[in-house]
Amino acid sequence: EVQLVQSGAEVKKPGESLKISCKGSGYSFTSYWIGWVRQMPGKGLEWMGIIYPGDSDTRYSPSFQGQVTISADKSISTAYLQWSSLKASDTAMYYCARLIPYLGAFDIWGQGTMVTVSS
Amino acid sequence: EIVLTQSPGTLSLSPGERATLSCRASQSVSSSYLAWYQQKPGQAPRLLIYGASSRATGIPDRFSGSGSGTDFTLTISRLEPEDFAVYYCQQYGSSPFGGGTKVEIK
Repeated sequence: EVQLVQSGAEVKKPGESLKISCKGSGYSFTSYWIGWVRQMPGKGLEWMGIIYPGDSDTRYSPSFQGQVTISADKSISTAYLQWSSLKASDTAMYYCARLIPYLGAFDIWGQGTMVTVSS
Repeated sequence: EIVLTQSPGTLSLSPGERATLSCRASQSVSSSYLAWYQQKPGQAPRLLIYGASSRATGIPDRFSGSGSGTDFTLTISRLEPEDFAVYYCQQYGSSPFGGGTKVEIK
């Protein structure tokens, strides 16, 4: 079964760092882009960026460039989203998803990781 | 950057009725890469339509997509109880989503 499994919910304080993960299985992880999507409470979907695990080519939305870092470790089929200094406004659900280039769409989604930043 | 505007923001309909959702792009986009997603409360989004009009695996045929250029439409021919959700459009997986349309029970 093709699936993406994300790491569990996190509760952090402002200024702390965080790295959440997204592990792919059931397919060739290095052959498909992985994207990250933010959803703030009660709001819509925001595309953050994508990474190609095969060569770590990464693209960021201008809105998130410099705010987060997307990376991947192809040896363990895992993509990451990290923050060096969290803010309360980073409180959101974060989804990873597999991009099918010839469809131009995300066909498989992770279950989401809830990040809560509060003092 | 292409901006996708979805309308209406909320659609109030009864089960069995037809739903028509709009996604308008700020400039012409390739219909090959226009996708629609469904999201139910507490769940991750699910791919419904890709290439503007092709249904993803397992999607019922009451869902259909159409359009080209700057105007795209998602139609649900007869609403089932499980179809009440929020729907998003996106032009390729490396670009912003539309703001979403909530289809709610009237």
